[in-house]
Amino acid sequence: DIQMTQSPSSLSASVGDRVTITCRASQSINTFLNWYQQQPQKAPRLLIYAASTLQSGVPTRFSGSGSGAEYTLTISGLQPEDFATYYCQQGYRTPLTFGQGTKVEIK
Amino acid sequence: QVQLQESGPGLVKPSQTLSLICSVSGASISSDGYYWGWLRQHPGKGLEWIGYKYYIGSAYYTPSLKSRLSMSVDTSKNQFSLRLNSVTAADSAVYYCARAGQKELSFDLWGQGTLVTVSS
Repeated sequence: DIQMTQSPSSLSASVGDRVTITCRASQSINTFLNWYQQQPQKAPRLLIYAASTLQSGVPTRFSGSGSGAEYTLTISGLQPEDFATYYCQQGYRTPLTFGQGTKVEIK
Repeated sequence: QVQLQESGPGLVKPSQTLSLICSVSGASISSDGYYWGWLRQHPGKGLEWIGYKYYIGSAYYTPSLKSRLSMSVDTSKNQFSLRLNSVTAADSAVYYCARAGQKELSFDLWGQGTLVTVSS
């Protein structure tokens, strides 16, 4: 199985901050990397697919980049509704696997 | 607007079978380009992919559950289902149904999730 490791596991930030979350795969996943946001008690929401393509309806302050085995999610100008947990997921090979999550909290 | 909705018992006894249905509205489950899948989330934990299936052909299951798992698609009802046999307390979780694009294998639509507790 491909292991996905996110860092940090949690972070504290203020409204307006720029936040970066990193996701590392245990092998190259050829940009088959997706990012999700999950609010408490809600289903996850797809933010970015194929490493850098913004899902329809997602604000442009979210962006993704990366290649090979290392990827990043950046939130430029954190908004109150962005405080949530973020997950990466590889779609390169089954079993599909997720990172352990990064909780973004209010400072 | 495409929507997915899980249904099924919220309480299952140990050793019995967990059965869930996902009803799809606003789109045909026979649409090209999508897998129909299941994921779960243990309380306070991360996301776990269970498996997915195209409307025809084989299903793909996570190895750790494969021996207990069955998925099917009913195109006449626009529904897909999950059956997990011989459940234990470790199968207690929120179960989500979701749609995945065949190309990127990203889950772009999700049901609201349903909590299943395994307990006698």
